[in-house]
Amino acid sequence: GAVVSQHPSRVICKSGTSVKIECRSLDFQATTMFWYRQFPKQSLMLMATSNEGSKATYEQGVEKDKFLINHASLTLSTLTVTSAHPEDSSFYICSTAQGAGETQYFGPGTRLLVL
Amino acid sequence: GQQLNQSPQSMFIQEGEDVSMNCTSSSIFNTWLWYKQEPGEGPVLLIALYKAGELTSNGRLTAQFGITRKDSFLNISASIPSDVGIYFCAGRTDSGGSNYKLTFGKGTLLTVNP
Repeated sequence: GAVVSQHPSRVICKSGTSVKIECRSLDFQATTMFWYRQFPKQSLMLMATSNEGSKATYEQGVEKDKFLINHASLTLSTLTVTSAHPEDSSFYICSTAQGAGETQYFGPGTRLLVL
Repeated sequence: GQQLNQSPQSMFIQEGEDVSMNCTSSSIFNTWLWYKQEPGEGPVLLIALYKAGELTSNGRLTAQFGITRKDSFLNISASIPSDVGIYFCAGRTDSGGSNYKLTFGKGTLLTVNP
């Protein structure tokens, strides 16, 4: 399977600050990357689909101005949680795919704790 | 929207036993995927199924894509302690555009007692 990295693996921040999470596709050029959020003991919920060179498509209920996604290259997508609040504390996981219909490979996740 | 019902929610078994879990959907999927997630990690793909009726094995794991395209099951034979984790099914419609996104089941937590 493909190798996907995320950085940082965990982050603690103060309420009101912004946090940037990086997702890198190490094995192939990923035209499509997905961002998920997972709360404790729950399933993965898709937040947005990120296509290289174009604007991300957000799922219903996900604020695009709060969760900024940039997919500037075929190997890197970033998710910025702006003005983070404690309720944003979660496990954020990205996945990459060579194309929209290709198999998704997941990163190791980023644990965000907002105090 | 599409919903996946995954069962059981959790299982406690003895090492060596076989395990079966399944997912059912309210609508058709063109692809079924099974992932395993360990604590603090991202999901790892176990098996991908692309055709109705398909039966695919990966070592001690076997999964099938239901004929109706609304269900799938995963079997684990002769379980071992390292099988512990949360198993997720995921479905995909493959109809283009945003429909390539995955819909996940709620997961089955597997505990194996040595």
